[in-house]
Amino acid sequence: GDSVTQMEGPVTLSEEAFLTINCTYTATGYPSLFWYVQYPGEGLQLLLKATKADDKGSNKGFEATYRKETTSFHLEKGSVQVSDSAVYFCALQRGAQKLVFGQGTRLTINP
Amino acid sequence: GAVVSQHPSRVICKSGTSVKIECRSLDFQATTMFWYRQFPKQSLMLMATSNEGSKATYEQGVEKDKFLINHASLTLSTLTVTSAHPEDSSFYICSASLVRGLDSPLHFGNGTRLTVT
Repeated sequence: GDSVTQMEGPVTLSEEAFLTINCTYTATGYPSLFWYVQYPGEGLQLLLKATKADDKGSNKGFEATYRKETTSFHLEKGSVQVSDSAVYFCALQRGAQKLVFGQGTRLTINP
Repeated sequence: GAVVSQHPSRVICKSGTSVKIECRSLDFQATTMFWYRQFPKQSLMLMATSNEGSKATYEQGVEKDKFLINHASLTLSTLTVTSAHPEDSSFYICSASLVRGLDSPLHFGNGTRLTVT
């Protein structure tokens, strides 16, 4: 079945550091790919998405490129801020709007 | 933008009682709503999909008689945890979709933390 694998956390960085959170997926066909962010005590917010191969999703300085050849959708940000501290979920969607989530990566940014 | 309101945000109940969680779409009509469960430090697991006016579709391993889902209108879905036990303690999150379709965005509620004592 479909699955999403994220790099294990927690990830701790200093402010202004470069961030990469790896995400790979297994799915038949051509799923849409997403990154969601969950701040403490809150639900999920869509951060960015890509719906086809080579698409790049971007938002709030975060970027991820849909790489079909490597079945990956790694999340990157050039300079993180303390306010980026949260849990990040990679997810795929294939038919019937069912989202399959990765296990989540907790990110902590220290000032 | 679209907003999904989930209530209550926190609830503590005693074993054997039932708890109802509401999920409302505030500024759009949600034809489909999803209920997820999140264990501490783990990912979200889809429990069920509910479509307005029809029975919910439960994922494998989810007890439909224990987790009752009602989607009586286009703006409200409810999840009732019946005869709750401590192992039902978890974070429950709903999401809603505006229309049926493969690329329709999902909007999430802020979740409900259930603690069963």
